Amino acid sequence: AQSVTQPDIHITVSEGASLELRCNYSYGATPYLFWYVQSPGQGLQLLLKYFSGDTLVQGIKGFEAEFKRSQSSFNLRKPSVHWSDAAEYFCAVPGGADGLTFGKGTHLIIQP
Amino acid sequence: DSGVTQTPKHLITATGQRVTLRCSPRSGDLSVYWYQQSLDQGLQFLIQYYNGEERAKGNILERFSAQQFPDLHSELNLSSLELGDSALYFCASSLTDMGGDSPLHFGNGTRLTVT
Repeated sequence: AQSVTQPDIHITVSEGASLELRCNYSYGATPYLFWYVQSPGQGLQLLLKYFSGDTLVQGIKGFEAEFKRSQSSFNLRKPSVHWSDAAEYFCAVPGGADGLTFGKGTHLIIQP
Repeated sequence: DSGVTQTPKHLITATGQRVTLRCSPRSGDLSVYWYQQSLDQGLQFLIQYYNGEERAKGNILERFSAQQFPDLHSELNLSSLELGDSALYFCASSLTDMGGDSPLHFGNGTRLTVT
């Protein structure tokens, strides 16, 4: 069964520093991959998605992610974080008719 | 704004009671998904409907049921509530019935507290 693993439960980054959130997937075929963000009290918002083609995907809010088949990874990056980026980040793969299978999430804390 | 509307935003009820959560999908979307989010279990898929028909079931308890109406809005019914049912319940919608083809758009959730 397809699954995703987000190894980091919490990440603390200083404002203005770069960010990388890790995601490893297990998927039978060429995967579709997604990153979602959940701000406090909000639902999940799609940041970016990878379907095929260019392995570097650009998303909203200045985020990007790189698909690396050899490492089964789809890590999320941002060159300079802002305090408003503090949120929960979820990596996801399709679960067939189940919609999406989500990782446990990474809680991002921004230090001033 | 995702275009997905969930009501109510908050719900406080007692054990043993029954509640109904409502979801209006984004305009044009035919699929509705229900997820439960709790601290210990994370995001758990409950059930999916596509154009009025049940398509997939996940970790949904027998005390829970859902339906999608002809106007495509959906309701999640939770009965014989237990303390452990306290959680955030999200509705999401998508254009197709396969999560890989089109992204899911999430509502802001209903926070259920069972006392």
